[in-house]
Amino acid sequence: QKEVEQNSGPLSVPEGAIASLNCTYSDRGSQSFFWYRQYSGKSPELIMFIYSNGDKEDGRFTAQLNKASQYVSLLIRDSQPSDSATYLCAVIRGGSYIPTFGRGTSLIVHP
Amino acid sequence: EAQVTQNPRYLITVTGKKLTVTCSQNMNHEYMSWYRQDPGLGLRQIYYSMNVEVTDKGDVPEGYKVSRKEKRNFPLILESPSPNQTSLYFCASSLSFQATEAFFGQGTRLTVV
Repeated sequence: QKEVEQNSGPLSVPEGAIASLNCTYSDRGSQSFFWYRQYSGKSPELIMFIYSNGDKEDGRFTAQLNKASQYVSLLIRDSQPSDSATYLCAVIRGGSYIPTFGRGTSLIVHP
Repeated sequence: EAQVTQNPRYLITVTGKKLTVTCSQNMNHEYMSWYRQDPGLGLRQIYYSMNVEVTDKGDVPEGYKVSRKEKRNFPLILESPSPNQTSLYFCASSLSFQATEAFFGQGTRLTVV
């Protein structure tokens, strides 16, 4: 059974702080990792993807992947109230086309 | 404007009455997929399509059908809806299944009574 685990939160951080969102996965064959942002009542938006171990930076977002420990994280620097949303982690096994999503972590950035 | 359009946005129907949720994209994307989102269960893929006439089951295909006769359209068909198919449905498209950009439709909230 493929599992992707996320702390449901809410994770509350002050404006300007670094928000750290974590995701663990059970399938060691996983090769592709995605982070989506979903505002309340809206559709998901793909914000980051990572395939290789290490860090990947895109603006204020950094994705970190550690395949040996089976976790992927998303760091949001200089958090803004507009970052308040649910963040979904998704994982795809090598050779598969079907993503497995975590249940999401709710992030609240307070002024 | 690049977009994925789903219709209808809201639908209340009765058990057993066939329905179709349409999905159309204007970006010439090859990969399209359908998801359902349920509280406590997250997003789960129903079906996906790698290209015209190429479709395959996702994690939860039971009770659903799809077709991909044209590149831009990927309708989701519920032949005999049941109350456990009450959910929020999203259609998505991207250039490929691992594309760096993915576009989701606005969602269809379906209630089966």
